Amino acid sequence: GQNIDQPTEMTATEGAIVQINCTYQTSGFNGLFWYQQHAGEAPTFLSYNVLDGLEEKGRFSSFLSRSKGYSYLLLKELQMKDSASYLCAIRSNDYKLSFGAGTTVTVRA
Amino acid sequence: SAVISQKPSRDICQRGTSLTIQCQVDSQVTMMFWYRQQPGQSLTLIATANQGSEATYESGFVIDKFPISRPNLTFSTLTVSNMSPEDSSIYLCSVEAPGMNTEAFFGQGTRLTVV
Repeated sequence: GQNIDQPTEMTATEGAIVQINCTYQTSGFNGLFWYQQHAGEAPTFLSYNVLDGLEEKGRFSSFLSRSKGYSYLLLKELQMKDSASYLCAIRSNDYKLSFGAGTTVTVRA
Repeated sequence: SAVISQKPSRDICQRGTSLTIQCQVDSQVTMMFWYRQQPGQSLTLIATANQGSEATYESGFVIDKFPISRPNLTFSTLTVSNMSPEDSSIYLCSVEAPGMNTEAFFGQGTRLTVV
């Protein structure tokens, strides 16, 4: 089974940086995903990590340490449109996704 | 990347009725999944839609309540049967495409309200 933990809420100022942590325990690991979800909409893919290290994609970066069961999503140069829920998800060997409860990020002017 | 068309995008239904949600993919995919997101909560896997055989359901979900079809590699349906207000959720189709295993794609979702 999967156990995925991430903070419930985070608040940051426009232009700042925010780091969302995700810790997990899993019986089978086949990648970690980060999704962004605005209220009432479907999740949008942000990043994928399967090997240890940092993946950078524009203002968003994601890090993975498999030995520690730890990942983070880094959002730089925050914009108001980044206010959303961010979901950490673990893919198991049978390609099923297990999601964390999500972190609501509020960006303030 | 795979493009997923899911419909309807939203619906308001009377309790006791059933709704069938369709998921169409623009390319053949090996894996198709159905997820539910109840208000204020994260996504929960309902079942894996298997082509040519019965769907595989997760704990807490049964075929009588959520019958699923997958007649080919590009299409699946999920039916929410005998609905109650507790079934009000967003229902999402997800796929894994061959050679594209660095991303799991989601449809736009179906927002269901049962009154």
